Amino acid sequence: DIQMTQSPSSLSASVGDRVTITCRASQSISTYLNWYHQKPGKAPRLLIYAASSLQSGVPSRFSGSGSGTDFTFTIISLQPEDFATYYCQQSYSTPYTFGQGTKVEIK
Amino acid sequence: EVQLVESGGGLVQPGGSLRLSCAASGFTFSSYAMSWVRQAPGKGVEWVSTIRGSGVSTYYADSVRGRFTISRDNSKNTLYLQMNSLRAEDTAVYYCAKGYSSGSSQYFDLWGRGTLVTVSS
Repeated sequence: DIQMTQSPSSLSASVGDRVTITCRASQSISTYLNWYHQKPGKAPRLLIYAASSLQSGVPSRFSGSGSGTDFTFTIISLQPEDFATYYCQQSYSTPYTFGQGTKVEIK
Repeated sequence: EVQLVESGGGLVQPGGSLRLSCAASGFTFSSYAMSWVRQAPGKGVEWVSTIRGSGVSTYYADSVRGRFTISRDNSKNTLYLQMNSLRAEDTAVYYCAKGYSSGSSQYFDLWGRGTLVTVSS
């Protein structure tokens, strides 16, 4: 199975801050890497697919990069509605594993 | 409206069975792979199972293989998850998710609200 390791597991940030989350795969997954966020009591929502493609309707302050085993997710200017838990997920092979999540909290 | 609506969750004793359903609307159901993804209370997200659009190919997490069966009825636009021999560790919110696959990308682009399964005596 491909293990996905996210860091940090949590972070505190202020509105307007730049936030970066990293995700590392235990083996190469090309660009089969997706990012979701989840708010309490809600389902995950797709933000970025194929490592760097912005899902339709998602604000452009979200971006992703990387290939192979190392990936980065960035929020250019954190907004109040962005406080949530963020997950990376590999879709290279089953089982489709998720990272453990990064909780973004208000400083 | 494009949506997925899960149903069938509830309280079940260890060793018991439950069948979840997911009703799809607003898209051509048979054209897409569908999946179940779960989240235990206070925990992260875990992929459970996927079925291709035709229903011929199915995939399972090791933790549920042999106990859970995914299926679909394309004439009813409905996805199912038959869960047998349930264990306490199966307690979770179960989400239905639509899969999209194109070239070098595959992802879950539409999720339901989830249905809670509690396994307890």
